[in-house]
Amino acid sequence: EPEVTQTPSHQVTQMGQEVILRCVPISNHLYFYWYRQILGQKVEFLVSFYNNEISEKSEIFDDQFSVERPDGSNFTLKIRSTKLEDSAMYFCASSVSLLDYGYTFGSGTRLTVV
Amino acid sequence: KNEVEQSPQNLTAQEGEFITINCSYSVGISALHWLQQHPGGGIVSLFMLSSGKKKHGRLIATINIQEKHSSLHITASHPRDSAVYICAVKSRIQFYFGTGTSLTVIP
Repeated sequence: EPEVTQTPSHQVTQMGQEVILRCVPISNHLYFYWYRQILGQKVEFLVSFYNNEISEKSEIFDDQFSVERPDGSNFTLKIRSTKLEDSAMYFCASSVSLLDYGYTFGSGTRLTVV
Repeated sequence: KNEVEQSPQNLTAQEGEFITINCSYSVGISALHWLQQHPGGGIVSLFMLSSGKKKHGRLIATINIQEKHSSLHITASHPRDSAVYICAVKSRIQFYFGTGTSLTVIP
């Protein structure tokens, strides 16, 4: 069964450093999403991406964050200058359509900012 | 404010019991998802509903659009069903997530 692949599974970074979280969505999917889950809290929507541009973003997704689909297969989330409160599990997801057929989550990247 | 409310927050059941988890939402939606999050953190999409009822193995999900309510049922529960079950609704493009129901099934 097709999977959404996220790398790395765990990343530790120093406060103030830039991090890039990588995702490979399912190949025929057109809509891409990033979510985060701070330990012990609920999952939160960050951003959706379609046709090489951001479709919608939440209040969390400020200027420190950016997304990119650099090569037609990878979908990346960049955090420019990490803060302690950015420590969370970050999930990538993709779907065939806005009607969510084939909606699939990746297994997540645990980001720890020290 | 919570756009999505789940109940109960925690649930412990004996193996074989019939389990119901409830989800109420306050926003207009195009779809509702039931997700399963395992202890390791990975998330699996169980169902996507926009109306009616869906069944997959021992899992059944129903939605009542008028009442803005959905239920997830697990028949003949098993210890491997132990996980956090999350209700998420899609309003236009953005998703809103519930806080999850932590289910423990005891052998």
